[in-house]
Amino acid sequence: GENVEQHPSTLSVQEGDSAVIKCTYSDSASNYFPWYKQELGKGPQLIIDIRSNVGEKKDQRIAVTLNKTAKHFSLHITETQPEDSAVYFCAASLGGTSYGKLTFGQGTILTVHP
Amino acid sequence: DTEVTQTPKHLVMGMTNKKSLKCEQHMGHRAMYWYKQKAKKPPELMFVYSYEKLSINESVPSRFSPECPNSSLLNLHLHALQPEDSALYLCASSHKTGGLGEQYFGPGTRLTVT
Repeated sequence: GENVEQHPSTLSVQEGDSAVIKCTYSDSASNYFPWYKQELGKGPQLIIDIRSNVGEKKDQRIAVTLNKTAKHFSLHITETQPEDSAVYFCAASLGGTSYGKLTFGQGTILTVHP
Repeated sequence: DTEVTQTPKHLVMGMTNKKSLKCEQHMGHRAMYWYKQKAKKPPELMFVYSYEKLSINESVPSRFSPECPNSSLLNLHLHALQPEDSALYLCASSHKTGGLGEQYFGPGTRLTVT
């Protein structure tokens, strides 16, 4: 089955810096890659996603890039703010055959220091 | 509106109790999911309902029994749980089945089994 590796496991940045989280996946047939942000005591919140027919997608301060050849995708957060502090999960899905099963990475704890 | 609601927010139950978790969405989504999340780990898929029919059971023990009474509601019936079942139980829904639809998560029910 699909396997998703996520790095780093923890990331500490100063407010205003950029943060980058990287994920690799194993199944070349995966075609949907969402990113979730989970704050303490809350459920995961979908913040951005990308499909395999697109190489990059941007939404204000966050962007996701996908390299299908290398089977990796990354989350980029610019101008980080303390409220960006949370756990971030990447995921991959084998659309069309698996009824929406998401395989998650192990998560990255992002801390943004004021 | 991308809201999924879950009740109760917290639940403490003994190993001989029977309880139920409830999930509701009014987005017209036709796929609904139950996940289990242990501390500092990613969500693990338990069940998927597609058009109110159970389509995936990830080999979950029979002490967890899902039910989808209608397209807006999803229940998880709990009976004879073990202390290791203590976790955050998350419900999610998506418009599309087949792995290509965005999944929106509820806030979760924090379950403690004593």
